Amino acid sequence: QKEVEQNSGPLSVPEGAIASLNCTYSDRVSQSFFWYRQYSGKSPELIMSIYSNGDKEDGRFTAQLNKASQYVSLLIRDSQPSDSATYLCAVNGRGETGANNLFFGTGTRLTVIP
Amino acid sequence: DAGITQSPRHKVTETGTPVTLRCHQTENHRYMYWYRQDPGHGLRLIHYSYGVKDTDKGEVSDGYSVSRSKTEDFLLTLESATSSQTSVYFCAISESGMGEKLFFGSGTQLSVL
Repeated sequence: QKEVEQNSGPLSVPEGAIASLNCTYSDRVSQSFFWYRQYSGKSPELIMSIYSNGDKEDGRFTAQLNKASQYVSLLIRDSQPSDSATYLCAVNGRGETGANNLFFGTGTRLTVIP
Repeated sequence: DAGITQSPRHKVTETGTPVTLRCHQTENHRYMYWYRQDPGHGLRLIHYSYGVKDTDKGEVSDGYSVSRSKTEDFLLTLESATSSQTSVYFCAISESGMGEKLFFGSGTQLSVL
């Protein structure tokens, strides 16, 4: 079983601060990395994808990837109360059946305090 | 939710009964998936489909079967429901293949008593 590890939190940040979410993964050959946001009682929503080492920015979100360290992170700048959700890290890899699947971490719960 | 409809949204059933969950997409995507989400485990792949009548097992497929007779529909069947199958079930689709961007339906909360 491929491992994708996240700190479950909760992570609390004040409104306007930078929230930093981290994820490590076990499969050295993983090539695709995703961040999903999941509000309570709702389905996961894709917010970022990253495939190459370095940073990728989209609005207030920045994904960072370091394949050598098997580490991917998500930064949320100017955090808003509406960012309060659980953030899921997903990494591709070969499953037990040999197929290329997405493996998910258990998520980090973020609370942005007004 | 990216043109994905799951039904029912909620279901309560008894141990030993068969249950079928339906996923319908309007995106004409080739790949469809069933995941379950449980506290402490994250999302885990049950079964997936890479085309009409083409399906395969995921990481937690025991006790589940699937069928895909049309591009737009992907059914998940619990042949004889058990309490361990109480979970939230998500259907997902992707356009570009396995291990790529997934778009999820709104989920089905299943309780097996």
